Amino acid sequence: DVKVTQSSRYLVKRTGEKVFLECVQDMDHENMFWYRQDPGLGLRLIYFSYDVKMKEKGDIPEGYSVSREKKERFSLILESASTNQTSMYLCASSLGTGGAGANVLTFGAGSRLTVL
Amino acid sequence: GQNIDQPTEMTATEGAIVQINCTYQTSGFNGLFWYQQHAGEAPTFLSYNVLDGLEEKGRFSSFLSRSKGYSYLLLKELQMKDSASYLCAVRGGNSGGYQKVTFGTGTKLQVIP
Repeated sequence: DVKVTQSSRYLVKRTGEKVFLECVQDMDHENMFWYRQDPGLGLRLIYFSYDVKMKEKGDIPEGYSVSREKKERFSLILESASTNQTSMYLCASSLGTGGAGANVLTFGAGSRLTVL
Repeated sequence: GQNIDQPTEMTATEGAIVQINCTYQTSGFNGLFWYQQHAGEAPTFLSYNVLDGLEEKGRFSSFLSRSKGYSYLLLKELQMKDSASYLCAVRGGNSGGYQKVTFGTGTKLQVIP
């Protein structure tokens, strides 16, 4: 089974701090995604990447950046955390090529970030 | 961009059948997913439709009409463990964004005895 691992399950940070959320997948997937999930708003796409060093903005990229230097790792960066970035962050990956099954997203367990 | 609509909440009785609808408007379409998410857990994959028609997988079926921008998830023989949120998601976008997957806000299903 594909495993998507998020480095921290719970984080508490202060306003203005730089925050790194790390995500690693172990099955050579091409595509990786960062979402945040908030009550009533569902899953909203922040950024995604379809190849090493490639990134595309999602629907809510403001206040975030990403890095994909290696295929297996996709990092989400909050340059200066703010209280409205308190949320559950979910990383996902998909194979990308090879039929319908290649497009299925596998999610990590999530990282709950609280910004004080 | 993508706009995806699904009901916020539904309640159904154990053993019954429930249909969860999803409508979407998209600038590019490369398939529609349904995911299940139990409270406090990550979403898990249920189904993926690319072509029109019905896909059946055990107690769960998913239907797609691309011309109408419409899908539904059908759950049969409901069990208490089916109480969860059901997320409709659309894959697609323009140019390099075709791998983009956008989710609706989810439908919270409560199964009652």
